[in-house]
Amino acid sequence: KNEVEQSPQNLTAQEGEFITINCSYSVGISALHWLQQHPGGGIVSLFMLSSGKKKHGRLIATINIQEKHSSLHITASHPRDSAVYICAAETSGSRLTFGEGTQLTVNP
Amino acid sequence: NAGVMQNPRHLVRRRGQEARLRCSPMKGHSHVYWYRQLPEEGLKFMVYLQKENIIDESGMPKERFSAEFPKEGPSILRIQQVVRGDSAAYFCASSPTQQETQYFGPGTRLLVL
Repeated sequence: KNEVEQSPQNLTAQEGEFITINCSYSVGISALHWLQQHPGGGIVSLFMLSSGKKKHGRLIATINIQEKHSSLHITASHPRDSAVYICAAETSGSRLTFGEGTQLTVNP
Repeated sequence: NAGVMQNPRHLVRRRGQEARLRCSPMKGHSHVYWYRQLPEEGLKFMVYLQKENIIDESGMPKERFSAEFPKEGPSILRIQQVVRGDSAAYFCASSPTQQETQYFGPGTRLLVL
């Protein structure tokens, strides 16, 4: 079993839909990261959180430390949101352990 | 403030050659991380360095791979005697201190023929 598991692996949505991507981890963490990998391969850090909830534009990330679970939500999804979304658990020494990623496709 | 820079962006090597990948962190960042993404696989941690020190190299193969982050200049990931299985995208990231947001470079795509 991977230390960081994401679901779903693939997600197709229609423009405007509300999207949720889930991440569960089995290790002790100092923080949980959400990253976006564009079709061209570039990686952008979206959120780093250790408790509660963070919001940036149409993106919301939440974490439940007791349940070792985090979610990434996208409101009013748009085709430009199509990308791979990756959660990563930061353990001791700033080492990141990554989930396998969720491929999101938003159709117009 | 320029972002994390990596070069080359694409590198082709024949089996047995050496590959040198460079990473210049963001200005003011003294922590550098290297990750590898094999084809059709997820990202994997390789090594974490702070200026002149290797903090954690537990993700790096024991043979042929080495990394450094000298006092002056970029961080270097060096792969000796490359094999086809080394073909991958190598990303570096940097942060100003430990346990802060990591900013990723564009990656180096290594192809071993």
